[in-house]
Amino acid sequence: EADIYQTPRYLVIGTGKKITLECSQTMGHDKMYWYQQDPGMELHLIHYSYGVNSTEKGDLSSESTVSRIRTEHFPLTLESARPSHTSQYLCASSSSYEQYFGPGTRLTVT
Amino acid sequence: AQSVTQPDIHITVSEGASLELRCNYSYGATPYLFWYVQSPGQGLQLLLKYFSGDTLVQGIKGFEAEFKRSQSSFNLRKPSVHWSDAAEYFCAVEPYTSGTYKYIFGTGTRLKVLA
Repeated sequence: EADIYQTPRYLVIGTGKKITLECSQTMGHDKMYWYQQDPGMELHLIHYSYGVNSTEKGDLSSESTVSRIRTEHFPLTLESARPSHTSQYLCASSSSYEQYFGPGTRLTVT
Repeated sequence: AQSVTQPDIHITVSEGASLELRCNYSYGATPYLFWYVQSPGQGLQLLLKYFSGDTLVQGIKGFEAEFKRSQSSFNLRKPSVHWSDAAEYFCAVEPYTSGTYKYIFGTGTRLKVLA
C-alpha cells in the first residue's frame, strides 16, 4: 500500500495570500493526481501528472497550478487565494490503474 | 458520454443489518471498477477492485462486490453492518482502453448506521 502525505491537513488563510499544498509519496509511483472535493460532494480531478515534468489540467477548471520536478513530490499552488477556493484537496498516486489517496488538506479562505 | 451513477445519495441501516450500495456505469467496454470509502475529514481508502475474472470480489472490512456485465453494475454488499461503517462510499471506474489512467467517480452514497 502506498504512503501518501499531505501537509498541512488544515489551513485557514486570508484572501489574497499565496499558498502551497504539499503532497509526497514514497512508493515511486509515476502518476499523481489532485482532486477538489466540496463537503459531502463528489471528487473533481483538477490536475494530474504522468511523470517528472509532465502535468495536465483535469476535468474541472482550477486557478491553481502544479509542478512535478521530483517523482515523489507534487505540490499545488494558489497564487492568490479567494473564498471560492475553500474546499478539501485530495492528492493521489498510482503506478498503474489503482489510485492511493492521501488524507487531504481542508482549506478555508476567509 | 462515460458516466458512473450511484442512485442512492443517502442510506440508513440498523447495525447488524445487511447492506447493498448500487453502482451503474455507462461505457462501451468493461472498465476497471473500484469501491472506495471515505470517513469524515479523511482521504479515500480502497475497499476492493475488479479487473477481470471472478465476478464476485472480496475486499477489506468484510465488504464484497459483484460485477454484472448485463446490467453494467458493480454493487457493494456487506452481510452485517457495524457502526464504524458509517461513511461516504464512492464507486469509480477507469476506462482503461482510453489509456488515460483517470477515474470517473460516482457522486457517492452516504451511509448512516443506527445503533
